[in-house]
Amino acid sequence: AQKITQTQPGMFVQEKEAVTLDCTYDTSDPSYGLFWYKQPSSGEMIFLIYQGSYDQQNATEGRYSLNFQKARKSANLVISASQLGDSAMYFCAMRVFSNFGNEKLTFGTGTRLTIIP
Amino acid sequence: GAGVSQSPRYKVAKRGQDVALRCDPISGHVSLFWYQQALGQGPEFLTYFQNEAQLDKSGLPSDRFFAERPEGSVSTLKIQRTQQEDSAVYLCASSYPQGDNEQFFGPGTRLTVL
Repeated sequence: AQKITQTQPGMFVQEKEAVTLDCTYDTSDPSYGLFWYKQPSSGEMIFLIYQGSYDQQNATEGRYSLNFQKARKSANLVISASQLGDSAMYFCAMRVFSNFGNEKLTFGTGTRLTIIP
Repeated sequence: GAGVSQSPRYKVAKRGQDVALRCDPISGHVSLFWYQQALGQGPEFLTYFQNEAQLDKSGLPSDRFFAERPEGSVSTLKIQRTQQEDSAVYLCASSYPQGDNEQFFGPGTRLTVL
């Protein structure tokens, strides 16, 4: 069975500092994808960054980077130079292929990030 | 272009009522997903459509839940005889094509069952 674990229920970070959100995963499938989504209070899930299991380099998207350590089965999100608008829930998710041949996302329980001015 | 839209955004139902939640995916997206997000939790998969075919409904919690996508675009999630434990945010997502692409999520429908 696939599982995503996010061990930080909440984090407080000073504005302009960098922050790392932890994510570990468990799967026996050699091919998988890892995603990070941001969910502000409005409720919509906003895609941030993607890492494929065979990607050689860590993914980066602007201020977001993914610290992918395959042997440790971790996929931590790093946000550089945090901004007040970064305050939100952050979910790590893994794409798995079900027995029915389709993909679906398995999510962790999330980390609530609060940026302090 | 327009993203995934869902309606209504909020729904209050009395226990035992039937509800219908609508999802308009991004035009041309083949794959459509429904997720249920309980308060303080991450979303959990309910069901998946490829065009009009419902290929995976393994996440539907009971036979009171039913989803359809008759013309391969708009989808409706129906919950019959709602129970308090059905209270959650219901998220719809679409993607094209199936594979490496991200899933684009709608704003969700918050269902409260009294």
